[in-house]
Parts: sequence; C-alpha cells; structure tokens
Amino acid sequence: AQTVTQSQPEMSVQEAETVTLSCTYDTSESDYYLFWYKQPPSRQMILVIRQEAYKQQNATENRFSVNFQKAAKSFSLKISDSQLGDAAMYFCAYDVRGTSYGKLTFGQGTILTVHP
Amino acid sequence: EPEVTQTPSHQVTQMGQEVILRCVPISNHLYFYWYRQILGQKVEFLVSFYNNEISEKSEIFDDQFSVERPDGSNFTLKIRSTKLEDSAMYFCAGRRAGLGGYTFGSGTRLTVV
Repeated sequence: AQTVTQSQPEMSVQEAETVTLSCTYDTSESDYYLFWYKQPPSRQMILVIRQEAYKQQNATENRFSVNFQKAAKSFSLKISDSQLGDAAMYFCAYDVRGTSYGKLTFGQGTILTVHP
Repeated sequence: EPEVTQTPSHQVTQMGQEVILRCVPISNHLYFYWYRQILGQKVEFLVSFYNNEISEKSEIFDDQFSVERPDGSNFTLKIRSTKLEDSAMYFCAGRRAGLGGYTFGSGTRLTVV
C-alpha cells in the first residue's frame, strides 16, 4: 500500500522569508501524481501545486515550487516570499492513476505559522 | 470558477440516527469521491464512484455507509446509524477524466452526540 509521510508536524517562517515543507512517499508504481493541498482554518482543501511523476521538471506556481526527487521518493514544497495568508495546514498527497480510478493518500499534515 | 458544493456545512445528529450528506459536483467531472477528516488527523479516503457505481472503497466504508447519485447531479453519502466516532469533516471531491486534479467541496462538519 502507498504511504505518505510528512515528518514536520509544525513549521514557522517569518513573513517574506522562504520555507520548505518535507514529504516522502512509498510506492511501487511508476505512473502517479503528487499534490500539495492547503487547508486554512476554514478547513477547505485548496490545491496548491501538482506534479506528474513522468515529468522530470519540477512544478512551479508563482511563489510555490516543488523539489521532486523520484528515486528518493521525496516531494518537498518551497514557499518563497511567505505571506500571512500562507498560514495553514499543508497536506502532501499521492495519487495513482493509469488503470486506477484514482484516489488520494494524504500525509499527516504540517501546520505552517507565518510570523509578521 | 466552477465549485463543488456541499450541504449542509454543519450537521449535529444524535447517535443512531441516519444522516445524508449532499454534494453537487462540477458538471464535467466524471469521478467522485468522499473523504473524511477526524479533527486533528489526516484526510482519509472513503469511497470512489464512477459510472453510477462504487469503484473502490476503504475499510472505513462499511455497511453503515452508502453512496448514490440518483439524479445525475447530486452525489450523496448516507450513514445509516451514526456512531460517536463518525464525528468528522466529510469532503466531497471530483475530477475530470485524464490528467485533471481533484476539486474539493468546502466540507460538511458532522457532529454526533
């Protein structure tokens, strides 16, 4: 079974600084997707960024970028120029596709605090 | 931008009662899901639904749970006889075919007393 591990229960960063959230996963599949979701206090799940495993290039979305190391099964999220609105719980998630209908397996989450 | 709509946002029910959680997916989505998040814990997969039938379900999704999409729009999760441990946030999600990501609804907070 696939597992996703986020080893940092909590992280903090100063406004305008950069922070990196860690995620590792375990799978025997070769075709899969990785996601980072943000969950603010409202508890809505908001997609931050997505990475297809077959792509070597790391995904970027404005201030958010990932470091995808397929051999190491590592998928970290870097937030640059942190803003107060970035404060939230962040979940790393794995999704297998191909012949599967797809389902997300989530990590335990990392609470990010942004200090002004 | 299209949204996945969930109702109600918060429901309180007595133990043993039946509850129905409702979701209106985005119209061009083909795959539908329910996830659960117990307070302070990670998000867990419950069930996936495609072509009007369950495609996969987790160990959590026992005989007390059922899903249906009766009219081609609403996607519902029914819990027949709620238990205290069913108290959680329930998220509906959907996606298109192919490489699309998942869109989540804003969730229903279920409190069983």
